[in-house]
Amino acid sequence: QKEVEQNSGPLSVPEGAIASLNCTYSDRGSQSFFWYRQYSGKSPELIMFIYSNGDKEDGRFTAQLNKASQYVSLLIRDSQPSDSATYLCAVRGGGADGLTFGKGTHLIIQP
Amino acid sequence: DAGVIQSPRHEVTEMGQEVTLRCKPISGHDYLFWYRQTMMRGLELLIYFNNNVPIDDSGMPEDRFSAKMPNASFSTLKIQPSEPRDSAVYFCASSLGRPEGDTEAFFGQGTRLTVV
Repeated sequence: QKEVEQNSGPLSVPEGAIASLNCTYSDRGSQSFFWYRQYSGKSPELIMFIYSNGDKEDGRFTAQLNKASQYVSLLIRDSQPSDSATYLCAVRGGGADGLTFGKGTHLIIQP
Repeated sequence: DAGVIQSPRHEVTEMGQEVTLRCKPISGHDYLFWYRQTMMRGLELLIYFNNNVPIDDSGMPEDRFSAKMPNASFSTLKIQPSEPRDSAVYFCASSLGRPEGDTEAFFGQGTRLTVV
């Protein structure tokens, strides 16, 4: 059974600070890792993806992957109130086409 | 492109009734996924199709659930008979190729199903 674990939160971060979101996964065969953002009542939308160990930066977002520890994280720099949402970690395993999602972390950016 | 289109957006039905959810994927996309989202279980993959063929239905909770994709532009998810525990938001997503970072899976707006 593939599992993706996230702290449900809420995680409260002051505006302008760095928000750090974490995710662990159980399947060592997982190959692709994704972060989705979901606003309340809306559908998930892709923010970042990462395949290789290390960091990947895209604007204010940085994804970090450590396959040995089976750990993925998302950093949001200069947090804005518009970043307030639920962030879903998703994993795709080897040979699989569908994504396994965590339950999400609810992030609140306080003005 | 209008994106992935799901209908209806909201559905309220009585226990025991048949419910049919519909999805029109983005034109040209060859993968279609059905997900269910609840507070308790999060977002779960139910079934997915590749080129209209069901590939993996291991996430379908039980025989009351069935899905079809008669052509590249239409898919249905049917629940018969429906039960209150089926209440959830059902999402359809499509992608061009296997979902990777550069072949994003795009989600529809979802159908909020309430079974009373």
